[in-house]
Amino acid sequence: NAGVMQNPRHLVRRRGQEARLRCSPMKGHSHVYWYRQLPEEGLKFMVYLQKENIIDESGMPKERFSAEFPKEGPSILRIQQVVRGDSAAYFCASSPSTGTVSYNEQFFGPGTRLTVL
Amino acid sequence: EDKVVQSPLSLVVHEGDTVTLNCSYEVTNFRSLLWYKQEKKAPTFLFMLTSSGIEKKSGRLSSILDKKELFSILNITATQTGDSAVYLCAVLGPGTYKYIFGTGTRLKVLA
Repeated sequence: NAGVMQNPRHLVRRRGQEARLRCSPMKGHSHVYWYRQLPEEGLKFMVYLQKENIIDESGMPKERFSAEFPKEGPSILRIQQVVRGDSAAYFCASSPSTGTVSYNEQFFGPGTRLTVL
Repeated sequence: EDKVVQSPLSLVVHEGDTVTLNCSYEVTNFRSLLWYKQEKKAPTFLFMLTSSGIEKKSGRLSSILDKKELFSILNITATQTGDSAVYLCAVLGPGTYKYIFGTGTRLKVLA
């Protein structure tokens, strides 16, 4: 059973370009979470999605950032008009359907390291 | 504001030493605390702690939670160079999914 897959692993963009980060959750997982890790900092929650729904995007900047998790295909984190401050590692995690489970382990992907020149 | 603080920020030891990593938190509606090991890739799960005073063990690693004093420790005995990594502490607060991470402790074990 493959783990959480992210691609690309490394992405270089110039200021003003768009960055698209992809995440394929573990098989059987329908919940996806995106985190950002700036250098020398901990992971910061950005957004939580289920299939075709954004559940919580309270950690995502209001402008230039968007996320989706379509019915078919991977989850996409999209950053428009990137700036140098967007340079970071972006991690995706997934979990199975929670039902009434309160404690929910998240499985992390290897991350995408975005560098904005 | 909810926060998780880890100490020390970094640590250098020699193989065979024992280390203790600390994690303190201020989180409303605490549900659980998790420890992850992060090398140059995905954070990998180590422990989930929900109850005070119950030690979790896995090989040379162990962890315990104190919900009264709001902290947890991660112990690693007989350290090896393969233990070199960043150790992340995360607390699950309100809701069932929003992890609040500390900045991590960077451990380097010298041969």
